[in-house]
Amino acid sequence: AQKITQTQPGMFVQEKEAVTLDCTYDTSDPSYGLFWYKQPSSGEMIFLIYQGSYDQQNATEGRYSLNFQKARKSANLVISASQLGDSAMYFCAMREGRRSNTGKLIFGQGTTLQVKP
Amino acid sequence: DAGVTQSPTHLIKTRGQQVTLRCSPKSGHDTVSWYQQALGQGPQFIFQYYEEEERQRGNFPDRFSGHQFPNYSSELNVNALLLGDSALYLCASSLVELAGRTDTQYFGPGTRLTVL
Repeated sequence: AQKITQTQPGMFVQEKEAVTLDCTYDTSDPSYGLFWYKQPSSGEMIFLIYQGSYDQQNATEGRYSLNFQKARKSANLVISASQLGDSAMYFCAMREGRRSNTGKLIFGQGTTLQVKP
Repeated sequence: DAGVTQSPTHLIKTRGQQVTLRCSPKSGHDTVSWYQQALGQGPQFIFQYYEEEERQRGNFPDRFSGHQFPNYSSELNVNALLLGDSALYLCASSLVELAGRTDTQYFGPGTRLTVL
């Protein structure tokens, strides 16, 4: 069964420093997609970054980068130059591959990030 | 560019009642997915609607039903509410690609349902 694991319930980082949020996944499907979403206290799930299983390079979007290690089945999110506004819950999610075209997302438990001034 | 909108923002119901939640997808999107997020948990997939039909369903009872309208907006209905239905209900919209696969899902602000 497909599964996403986020082992860090909470993380602290000093403002302007970089932080890595861990995500490991389990799937037997060779085709899949990995996503990171940010959820502030307001509740809205904000899309940050996407990595396809066949992508050769790690995805980057501004201050966000995804450290994709396929053999280890990990897809860690790296946030550079943390800002106070980065304080939120972060979710790693996986989209099913060829067995489903619907893009159903499977989420991890989330990691709460707090940025200290 | 209008994002995904949901209504109402908050809702309080009592056990046994029925509730309807509404979602308007992001401009240009044709697919709506619904997720339930219990406090402190990741979202769980309820179902997805495309071309006014349920395309896939998660592990939720028949008390949960939905509908998609010709303008792509969607409703989530929950009958015979239980205390355990208290959660944040998130709607996500996306676009079906030419190959038939669903692109990145963009979420709305959610509806927080409290069942007393």
